[in-house]
Amino acid sequence: GIQVEQSPPDLILQEGANSTLRCNFSDSVNNLQWFHQNPWGQLINLFYIPSGTKQNGRLSATTVATERYSLLYISSSQTTDSGVYFCAAEGATDSWGKFQFGAGTQVVVTP
Amino acid sequence: DSGVTQTPKHLITATGQRVTLRCSPRSGDLSVYWYQQSLDQGLQFLIQYYNGEERAKGNILERFSAQQFPDLHSELNLSSLELGDSALYFCASSVASVGSGNTIYFGEGSWLTVV
Repeated sequence: GIQVEQSPPDLILQEGANSTLRCNFSDSVNNLQWFHQNPWGQLINLFYIPSGTKQNGRLSATTVATERYSLLYISSSQTTDSGVYFCAAEGATDSWGKFQFGAGTQVVVTP
Repeated sequence: DSGVTQTPKHLITATGQRVTLRCSPRSGDLSVYWYQQSLDQGLQFLIQYYNGEERAKGNILERFSAQQFPDLHSELNLSSLELGDSALYFCASSVASVGSGNTIYFGEGSWLTVV
């Protein structure tokens, strides 16, 4: 099945800073999503982005499917951005609906 | 609120026992997924159902089973529980129709502690 790797594993930011999180995947994808897991454990859907670029407020994401990576940008970070960011991919050759998650990037935003 | 409802939110049980976790998908969603999140294994895909039928299987133990009922709610049954089964169990759902993509939405999870 598809392999998903995220980097960096940990990120400490000062409030107001910008950052880029990366997700590499080993195969063509039918589906790629970014999630934020808050400190209470909730998994919040950020982007459905198998290709192209999307923006939602201070967050944006770009997936370059041909080069098998996706980037999540956080601008003007706030303490509420703290948590773990996951990338999940559904490989083109995997069973439909079988999402593989990366290990996540732990983000801590300090005041 | 994602619209995916999971019960119970917290559960403490003893080794060797059996528990059932329940999930109601978002209105209109036909696909239900179960994931396990533990500290050492990360988020692991367990199983997917689509409109009552098993669609994809991941790293689900033989002691675990699931089903999706005609009203589309799903249950995950965990039996002969071991300490290592302590984890956060997520249910997710999606519309999963051709052409709409397959955006998945997660419930708040069921925290299972085996003592």
